[in-house]
Amino acid sequence: NAGVTQTPKFQVLKTGQSMTLQCAQDMNHEYMSWYRQDPGMGLRLIHYSVGAGITDQGEVPNGYNVSRSTTEDFPLRLLSAAPSQTSVYFCASLTTSARVAFFGQGTRLTVV
Amino acid sequence: QQQVKQSPQSLIVQKGGISIINCAYENTAFDYFPWYQQFPGKGPALLIAIRPDVSEKKEGRFTISFNKSAKQFSLHIMDSQPGDSATYFCAASRGGGGSYIPTFGRGTSLIVHP
Repeated sequence: NAGVTQTPKFQVLKTGQSMTLQCAQDMNHEYMSWYRQDPGMGLRLIHYSVGAGITDQGEVPNGYNVSRSTTEDFPLRLLSAAPSQTSVYFCASLTTSARVAFFGQGTRLTVV
Repeated sequence: QQQVKQSPQSLIVQKGGISIINCAYENTAFDYFPWYQQFPGKGPALLIAIRPDVSEKKEGRFTISFNKSAKQFSLHIMDSQPGDSATYFCAASRGGGGSYIPTFGRGTSLIVHP
């Protein structure tokens, strides 16, 4: 049972480039979410999904897009990378019955 | 507006001591209060959680104390060990729609000296 899998683990982008962070879960959880973690700022919610085809914005959505075509996958797209998007990104899934969020290992993104 | 406020930002404790991390929340609709533990290079993982119908929950050396009237909850780590050195996040969520998604505090970096 893999849980929540994020790829890549590390990525360096140049300002203005675009890329997609991948997230997949095999627990059939309804909810999925993306957070960014910055020193002293904790985990801030970027976007979330309550089921396939349904997404909504979190606290810091600007510069990011998401879609959810299947229960398993929830990719995060950076449209035009900026140095302010240098961060560690975590994907999480959650089932409403247990209320526990399961996190991936994270993607460390550096934008130069 | 920060819905969950966590303190202190960092904490240094000697081995065998008690570590205490505090959180306060604003939204009285929150009904689930978990604590997550994160080791360097890893994602956060659930440590212990409490619902507001009880004032305390204990699992091994870890205890959550909950004060509904003060809208505060805290994590106590008894007999702290070097292996407890990690970042700890409190969180809160409520049932219904996107509210199941937890709101996190800013985290506490705990260092336990041997």
